[in-house]
Amino acid sequence: QKEVEQDPGPLSVPEGAIVSLNCTYSNSAFQYFMWYRQYSRKGPELLMYTYSSGNKEDGRFTAQVDKSSKYISLFIRDSQPSDSATYLCAIGREYGNKLVFGAGTILRVKS
Amino acid sequence: EADIYQTPRYLVIGTGKKITLECSQTMGHDKMYWYQQDPGMELHLIHYSYGVNSTEKGDLSSESTVSRIRTEHFPLTLESARPSHTSQYLCASSVQGSNQPQHFGDGTRLSIL
Repeated sequence: QKEVEQDPGPLSVPEGAIVSLNCTYSNSAFQYFMWYRQYSRKGPELLMYTYSSGNKEDGRFTAQVDKSSKYISLFIRDSQPSDSATYLCAIGREYGNKLVFGAGTILRVKS
Repeated sequence: EADIYQTPRYLVIGTGKKITLECSQTMGHDKMYWYQQDPGMELHLIHYSYGVNSTEKGDLSSESTVSRIRTEHFPLTLESARPSHTSQYLCASSVQGSNQPQHFGDGTRLSIL
């Protein structure tokens, strides 16, 4: 079983929609949760970084962690065509030195 | 914006050649990483380093080797390239500490004929 699962998509939405991207993980030892955005032919760039449970908001982006369900989400409000990319979740253990990445969800926002 | 650079961006080369993929960062980060990324697959860690003269193998077995002689430089070498080495290679760096966000370069897309 993979340590983190992510629906590959593609997820197609109209411009202005609210997008929900999700990952599930298997081990309750994970405490650090990140979301990266990767454009085609580019490296991943960090969008959100959270520790333990709760929500974190940054502009149009909200990261949510539900540790009881081992489920993390990234919400994008008022989605734009420029949000079209692959979104990767990444998780880390307490005192760990390596991150575990999901395979990414492809998002397409249509104008 | 992260200042981490990878060269070359694209490389098409024949089997048996020796290849070095370059990675440099100007942020003074102690930790550096090499990942392999194939389409639709997770990033797989193949090497990492905590600092100068420190290198460790990652979770995915790789025939490549790395060196860390300077803080800012973390090259990856394949002594004899094979078609199975065809992939995208991503370099990243972070500050010291557990689970710090990693900053990525734009990758080298390697094709071995």
